[in-house]
Amino acid sequence: KQEVTQIPAALSVPEGENLVLNCSFTDSAIYNLQWFRQDPGKGLTSLLLIQSSQREQTSGRLNASLDKSSGRSTLYIAASQPGDSATYLCAVRPRNGTASKLTFGTGTRLQVTL
Amino acid sequence: DTGVSQDPRHKITKRGQNVTFRCDPISEHNRLYWYRQTLGQGPEFLTYFQNEAQLEKSRLLSDRFSAERPKGSFSTLEIQRTEQGDSAMYLCASSFPFRGAYNEQFFGPGTRLTVL
Repeated sequence: KQEVTQIPAALSVPEGENLVLNCSFTDSAIYNLQWFRQDPGKGLTSLLLIQSSQREQTSGRLNASLDKSSGRSTLYIAASQPGDSATYLCAVRPRNGTASKLTFGTGTRLQVTL
Repeated sequence: DTGVSQDPRHKITKRGQNVTFRCDPISEHNRLYWYRQTLGQGPEFLTYFQNEAQLEKSRLLSDRFSAERPKGSFSTLEIQRTEQGDSAMYLCASSFPFRGAYNEQFFGPGTRLTVL
């Protein structure tokens, strides 16, 4: 059974700092990995998707990397802003069969202070 | 905006009542997913449709839960005889497997259910 872990559970940084969020998964047989952002009481916004054959994806100040063999992904946020405050979730999709479900971690709650 | 929509956004009900939620996916998306998220946890998969066919159901989906997608467009999720443990955010997502970024799932705003 796939298990996804995110460390740290919560993080507080001053504005302008660069930061890294970590995601690890137990089964390396994945099709892709997605990073999401969730604001309190809201749905999920997809940030980046990395295919299993890719090493990284970039969007603006965000960079996600994937090391499938070691079961790890990181989300790097450059020059953090108060508007980045949210919970960040990673999720993996299995490679086998018709299974399309995502398995999520419990998230990292990020607060960027002024 | 043509994103995933869900209705209602909030539902408060008494234990034992039945509730029904609706999800409208992005119009060209043929895959639709339901997830449940409790406080402080990541979403957990409930069920998945490709067009009108329900292809997978989680063991979390007890006999009190039923989902339909009768015409391959919108979907409903019904919970019968609600229990306090059903209180959660119910999230819907959709995807189109042959276009864009490899079956990326797009999520709706969710329906927050509170069972008193």
